[in-house]
Amino acid sequence: EDKVVQSPLSLVVHEGDTVTLNCSYEVTNFRSLLWYKQEKKAPTFLFMLTSSGIEKKSGRLSSILDKKELSSILNITATQTGDSAIYLCAVEDGGDMRFGAGTRLTVKP
Amino acid sequence: EAQVTQNPRYLITVTGKKLTVTCSQNMNHEYMSWYRQDPGLGLRQIYYSMNVEVTDKGDVPEGYKVSRKEKRNFPLILESPSPNQTSLYFCASSPRTSGRSSYEQYFGPGTRLTVT
Repeated sequence: EDKVVQSPLSLVVHEGDTVTLNCSYEVTNFRSLLWYKQEKKAPTFLFMLTSSGIEKKSGRLSSILDKKELSSILNITATQTGDSAIYLCAVEDGGDMRFGAGTRLTVKP
Repeated sequence: EAQVTQNPRYLITVTGKKLTVTCSQNMNHEYMSWYRQDPGLGLRQIYYSMNVEVTDKGDVPEGYKVSRKEKRNFPLILESPSPNQTSLYFCASSPRTSGRSSYEQYFGPGTRLTVT
């Protein structure tokens, strides 16, 4: 059965810490993997990773796709309280979009 | 302003009373999709549409209908709502087209539905 699994489900850190969020997937027809950040509203796009672009970086956030291990990580360095959110991983499987359950990150001052 | 709009934002209804949640985007996107979000389950895709008059089932289509008569609109219809359809619903759109890798999806603000 196709699935996307994120770990950990929740994480509490202090400002300045570095965190690594994990996403593993098993899908029939992988096309791309996307990361989203969800605060109290709708998810907002962070990164898209495909076979031709396996590493992305934007400020303190970066993400790597490991196609051999069928997984991806999202790194956040020097965390801030504004990074507190649910981070969602999604994998495009043909026309379907399959999401993981998310990782709830809490950054304490 | 480029956006995806949903209406209503909040709805409380009773079992069996047909309802429609509207979704509209002004970005000329070809791809649109509906999701439901439940605690601990993340976002689950209900239906998606690659283009006008083209719709496909996602992971959890049971109890829902959609239509795509125009590019900008993608309403979600619950013919006979039940309490297990109580959830937070998101509509999303994307410029992706059939056969190409997806681009980022733009999400609407969400509709919180309660079925009693």
